[in-house]
Amino acid sequence: GAVVSQHPSRVICKSGTSVKIECRSLDFQATTMFWYRQFPKQSLMLMATSNEGSKATYEQGVEKDKFLINHASLTLSTLTVTSAHPEDSSFYICSARAPGGWNQPQHFGDGTRLSIL
Amino acid sequence: QKEVEQNSGPLSVPEGAIASLNCTYSDRGSQSFFWYRQYSGKSPELIMFIYSNGDKEDGRFTAQLNKASQYVSLLIRDSQPSDSATYLCAATGNQFYFGTGTSLTVIP
Repeated sequence: GAVVSQHPSRVICKSGTSVKIECRSLDFQATTMFWYRQFPKQSLMLMATSNEGSKATYEQGVEKDKFLINHASLTLSTLTVTSAHPEDSSFYICSARAPGGWNQPQHFGDGTRLSIL
Repeated sequence: QKEVEQNSGPLSVPEGAIASLNCTYSDRGSQSFFWYRQYSGKSPELIMFIYSNGDKEDGRFTAQLNKASQYVSLLIRDSQPSDSATYLCAATGNQFYFGTGTSLTVIP
């Protein structure tokens, strides 16, 4: 159980393109999903917390107009990287918290490797 | 002070040995603790969770929790080369906090 699907797994596109990444919880309803970014050999960096039906909470230093998050249903959150540039190239990972509150584990998608040329 | 602290390593152990990974946390209100394994280039995978003081065993893995000392550990018995990965400790308090991870290499 607790499967999180993330799509696409890899994106290569030109600078200035907007890229949409989907995160789905397949067998449970997730009121809260999280978006992380990870650069090579560095630790996970939380970008934002996505709550179903409300605006996402962004971490300090993360531009909300650059990284648009939508959590329209209990099983789907999307991250759109708008007008992507080479410095946005990174490994983006979503996670969904199992039902039951803060004490429940996060389950991760397989990640999206974004390369901006 | 970070909410969850881990020794970044790298930690190297020979195949068949016990690997011991340690984690401390600062929020005394934390109630749940998790260990994730992350292979290079992959996303984290939940391998253990523990809520109560003491030991919890699952196959070759044992999680240990000491709330008085604010200390969580993960023991991997009979370490295999396939255990080579970064291990992330996480704790929940008002939020979900991850440590920065400990890199483990099991040498054949």
